Amino acid sequence: DADVTQTPRNRITKTGKRIMLECSQTKGHDRMYWYRQDPGLGLRLIYYSFDVKDINKGEISDGYSVSRQAQAKFSLSLESAIPNQTALYFCATRGLSTEAFFGQGTRLTVV
Amino acid sequence: QKEVEQDPGPLSVPEGAIVSLNCTYSNSAFQYFMWYRQYSRKGPELLMYTYSSGNKEDGRFTAQVDKSSKYISLFIRDSQPSDSATYLCAMSLPRGSSGDKLTFGTGTRLAVRP
Repeated sequence: DADVTQTPRNRITKTGKRIMLECSQTKGHDRMYWYRQDPGLGLRLIYYSFDVKDINKGEISDGYSVSRQAQAKFSLSLESAIPNQTALYFCATRGLSTEAFFGQGTRLTVV
Repeated sequence: QKEVEQDPGPLSVPEGAIVSLNCTYSNSAFQYFMWYRQYSRKGPELLMYTYSSGNKEDGRFTAQVDKSSKYISLFIRDSQPSDSATYLCAMSLPRGSSGDKLTFGTGTRLAVRP
């Protein structure tokens, strides 16, 4: 099993719908992150969490919310999806070392 | 101005060539410097990391950090078709600093031709 698991892997949704992307990890890391990746823009940080009670906005948090349900679970929600939120979304974890471990990504299309 | 600048490419080289990938940055407080490799339809994976200035070598890969110039490089020797991927530089502040997060470049797409 993968260390960082994202579900779903692919999702097509309509404008205005609420959608949740889920991330779970088995590495026991305290730090978890949500990034989106767009062509030409690289990975941009949406939200990050240092533990269950510590949630922080990243550089592009507008239109998104998160929930850290447990140390191992970190969910990203789009309250009312819009087409420019079409992107590849990655969850990542980080422990005591500098290395971040990424999930396989969720390809989201908003039509 | 972005905190981390990276040429998106694409970069196309023949097999066996030496590849040089680079990033510049503006935040002099960055202490950890990393290179991630991302294959198509996959998540990024850490390739190399360097703390502060200096060089680090791992097989065919060499990472260099020049903090005085705010410039980092990744060299790939004897490039192989299997090296074809997107390479992302990433940087972070010292552990425990506010904003303990990775800041990424846009990534450079590399294609190694057989």
